[in-house]
Amino acid sequence: EIVLTQSPGTLSLSPGERATLSCRASQSVSSSYLAWYQQKPGQAPRLLIYGASNRATGIPDRFSGSGSGTDFTLTISRLEPEDFAVYYCQQFGTSPNLYTFGRGTELEIK
Amino acid sequence: QVQLQESGPGLVKPSGTLSLTCAVSGGSISSSNWWSWVRQPPGKGLEWIGEISHSENTNYNPSLKSRVTISLDKSKNQFSLNLSSVTAADTAVYYCARNAPGGWSLDYWGQGTLVTVSS
Repeated sequence: EIVLTQSPGTLSLSPGERATLSCRASQSVSSSYLAWYQQKPGQAPRLLIYGASNRATGIPDRFSGSGSGTDFTLTISRLEPEDFAVYYCQQFGTSPNLYTFGRGTELEIK
Repeated sequence: QVQLQESGPGLVKPSGTLSLTCAVSGGSISSSNWWSWVRQPPGKGLEWIGEISHSENTNYNPSLKSRVTISLDKSKNQFSLNLSSVTAADTAVYYCARNAPGGWSLDYWGQGTLVTVSS
């Protein structure tokens, strides 16, 4: 089973700053199988990025994803107040089909 | 716009069976999609439980496979989760979700329902 390690655990930034969140896989992951989600307190996760770099429907272009192999990154170019939340990366594995999530990065207001 | 809504008991006794239903609106459950269940213990991360296809093929998380059954009710446009022999460790918010067309991510989610395992 592939393990996803997200860093940092907590990231303290101010609105307007740039956020860079990391997701490292224990084995190589196809870029097609890597996604990012945003979760706010009391809400369900929201799909942000799929296929490592494709924005989901309705996601602002300040969110971007990149990476390949074992290292993936979610970047938020200029933080808006509504962006402070927990972010999870997720990978899809086969044989058997299995979705696994990282432990999350909490993005908090500094 | 696809919408999903979980329903079921909020309290289950230890050793009992947790049963939840996810009603799908704005789309047919018989379409070429897979449908998933995901859970989140209070204050913790996300754990995928399993999935079912429109043709009722299933895949389960190996860590839960011996206790999980996911089924489909096409006549009611809903799918269900049964988790047997529950313990306090199964206390969590349970979400249903749609696997994105083309697969590999979850694009629509229900609001989630908290299930507590306690006597």
